[in-house]
This record gives sequence, C-alpha cells and structure tokens, in this order.
Amino acid sequence: QVQLVQSGTEVKKPGASVKVSCKASGYTFISYGISWVRQAPGQGLEWMGWISAHNGKTEYAQKLQGRVTMTTDTPTSTAYMELRSLRSDDTAVYYCARDSPSGLESFDYWGQGTLVTVSS
Amino acid sequence: PVLTQPPSASALLGASIKLTCTLSSEHSTYTIEWYQQRPGRSPQYIMKLKSDGSHSKGDGIPDRFVGSSSGADRYLTLSNLQSDDEAEYHCGESHTIDGQVGYVFGTGTKVTVL
Repeated sequence: QVQLVQSGTEVKKPGASVKVSCKASGYTFISYGISWVRQAPGQGLEWMGWISAHNGKTEYAQKLQGRVTMTTDTPTSTAYMELRSLRSDDTAVYYCARDSPSGLESFDYWGQGTLVTVSS
Repeated sequence: PVLTQPPSASALLGASIKLTCTLSSEHSTYTIEWYQQRPGRSPQYIMKLKSDGSHSKGDGIPDRFVGSSSGADRYLTLSNLQSDDEAEYHCGESHTIDGQVGYVFGTGTKVTVL
C-alpha cells in the first residue's frame, strides 16, 4: 500500500533552517510528484510547492520563493523540503502528499505530518 | 478569494449534508479536489470534481460521498451521515495567475454530526 513517512518534530530558532524528509513506499516513486502543504495552528491548508520525482522540476508558491527548496533522492524514494530564514509564522505542521506526474492535481496520499515550531 | 467555503455545517446522524465550494467568477469552470481532515489527522483525498459534475474518487471513499457541480459551485454530498464523517472538508484548485502556477485551498468547512 502507498505510504509516505515523514521525519519527526523539529524545534528551530528564528533565522534557522529546517529540512523535512518524506520517504515513499508502495508505488513507483519516479512516476509521480510530491507536493508539500503546511497548516499553521488552527488555520487552513497552504500549498508550498511541488517537485517531479521523475525529473526534479519544481514549482514553488510565490510567497515562499527564495526561502524553500524541494529535492528528491531516487535510490531511497525520499523527498525533502528545506525552508530557510525561519520566522515564527512558519510554525506549522508540514505535510508531503503524492501528486500527479505533471503536478498540482490530486494529492491522493499524505504523510503523517511533521510539526515545526519556530521559537526563540 | 478564489475558493469560498462556509465555515461550518451540521446535520443529524443518518441524514444527508451538502457542502459547497464556490469558485471565483474567473475560475468558474475549474476542476477542484475535495479533502477530508479528521481532527488531529492528515488530510485524506476524497475526489476530483469537474465543472460538468463528473468526478473520480480516491481509494476507499464510500459510495455515499457524491460530487456535483452547478455553475461556479462545487458540491460534496454526504449521505447517511456517520459519526466518523465529523471532520473539516477542504476544497482546492490549481491555477495559473500571471504565469505563476499554484494551488489554493478554501478555508474549509467544519462538519458536525449531531
């Protein structure tokens, strides 16, 4: 069965960086993409960006461009999301989700979420 | 806003409930996706819903979850409401604005089963 398993809780200081991993199993990794979505406490869902696991092509949300980088490692079927220059309003649960090969379509399987807390 | 959802909705156990996601006029023909998020859990994909009302569901989504469309409105009807259906329901759509590709979610509708 399709599974996306994310790395654990992170606590970071303002200005630091965080890198969250998302290990996929149960499907052919390079046949799909991965989108990243975050959810601040008590808030709605916010799409952060997408990466093709086939060719590494990325699309990032405009408000995060310059601070976010998404990568994949095909041998381990793992996707990564790095967010830099963290601020308090980056505190959120970060999710990876399997996306279509062309991107930004059905996020049909989701990871369990990674809580990132940014606090001095 | 690109997508508008009422903040809350409620219905009795065993009844039906119809959730609405309204697209902006510029996006009235767009396809959306519906997601369910139970408290403290990750979102779960429900379906892709087109402007003509055709839809394709995710794995394990029961037949009592039905999508439909009318103009700029996209609906998700839950029949025979169960306590397990108590959750936040999000709609989302992909779009290109000023050449920038993106995906936006609605603010979500919290469903309470009475």
